[in-house]
Amino acid sequence: KAGVTQTPRYLIKTRGQQVTLSCSPISGHRSVSWYQQTPGQGLQFLFEYFSETQRNKGNFPGRFSGRQFSNSRSEMNVSTLELGDSALYLCASSSSGQGSTTQYFGPGTRLTVL
Amino acid sequence: AQRVTQPEKLLSVFKGAPVELKCNYSYSGSPELFWYVQYSRQRLQLLLRHISRESIKGFTADLNKGETSFHLKKPFAQEEDSAMYYCALSTSLNTDKLIFGTGTRLQVFP
Repeated sequence: KAGVTQTPRYLIKTRGQQVTLSCSPISGHRSVSWYQQTPGQGLQFLFEYFSETQRNKGNFPGRFSGRQFSNSRSEMNVSTLELGDSALYLCASSSSGQGSTTQYFGPGTRLTVL
Repeated sequence: AQRVTQPEKLLSVFKGAPVELKCNYSYSGSPELFWYVQYSRQRLQLLLRHISRESIKGFTADLNKGETSFHLKKPFAQEEDSAMYYCALSTSLNTDKLIFGTGTRLQVFP
């Protein structure tokens, strides 16, 4: 099976712009989670989607939003970008969305905000 | 608040030496604990989880609820064990949400 894919892999934006990141889970997986990874804060949970429904949301401002489509692909959007949004954004998928099943991570999208 | 603490940013050992990567958590309920590993230029991947009580690549981890710890151990380190290790906590089996520690970089010298 193909692994989790994320597009684009690299992105450079300027402050005030908005950005959309995409995640394609492993075929058959219905759960997608997003994380922000920075040197200072480490890995922080953003959202979790299961069957097109947001099941959990982390402590991020409303500028961060996401959605999941019927084919389980997920997108996250960040509006009004700030310098502090520069990070590696990781998504992970699992088959059942239950903590007992293995989550598989994508390679990440590296976002740089200038 | 739920929290995972990995006190060491870097742990350096020689090949063949024992390794212990420390992880402490803060959670009042019944935790699910995991260790994830990221090798150089590879994706983050699951190493082991406490509910499986398994040994992967010679690594083991025991959940100690009294000390709220989930330390990762290996009796004899190998050079290929060099990587970034993250301890993670899930507060429910009905979610994939993970709370990660800040990670420990393990360097194994020949």
